[in-house]
Amino acid sequence: SQQGEEDPQALSIQEGENATMNCSYKTSINNLQWYRQNSGRGLVHLILIRSNEREKHSGRLRVTLDTSKKSSSLLITASRAADTASYFCATPSGGYQKVTFGTGTKLQVIP
Amino acid sequence: NAGVTQTPKFQVLKTGQSMTLQCAQDMNHEYMSWYRQDPGMGLRLIHYSVGAGITDQGEVPNGYNVSRSTTEDFPLRLLSAAPSQTSVYFCASSYGTAVDEQFFGPGTRLTVL
Repeated sequence: SQQGEEDPQALSIQEGENATMNCSYKTSINNLQWYRQNSGRGLVHLILIRSNEREKHSGRLRVTLDTSKKSSSLLITASRAADTASYFCATPSGGYQKVTFGTGTKLQVIP
Repeated sequence: NAGVTQTPKFQVLKTGQSMTLQCAQDMNHEYMSWYRQDPGMGLRLIHYSVGAGITDQGEVPNGYNVSRSTTEDFPLRLLSAAPSQTSVYFCASSYGTAVDEQFFGPGTRLTVL
């Protein structure tokens, strides 16, 4: 079963707008990762946030983690057409030997 | 560095055939994994390895075998292909564990008729 569920399933925005996607998970975690997948390609790691961090930034990415609500959000600011991709959260499932990926949010940025 | 390479890129099999999907990495990573990706279901872990000679099952291991005789290579064997194994298969590797940054290969698109 999926540990993480992303919301929304699909998102379409204009270039320059901000994009926010959310991930909810079921069990307590030590960290959460976000990955990006361009169409027809493998996943690329974006950022990892630990359970003792509430917010983390990397370039135009801002990730938050609310362990009390078991949820995380990924914000992409000033989106570009090149941000068009699917975004997945990944949570540990079995110590540090396995992660479970969510079903993903498909983001389309319209030029 | 080539990173994580997978061969073949595409494959069509008939039900009952067997084949091996190849995966190699040149980053001296200890952790390697195989996932399958189906529409609307995200990625599901098939098998993983924490080092040469050590493998373990993931979420959906049935119908697949793996071995890890070297640090670099982690082949995935389909024993007797079934239409339910039609999917896109990704190999990934990381320095130490699944929660370290995983580097993914380009994928193999497999169709079983």
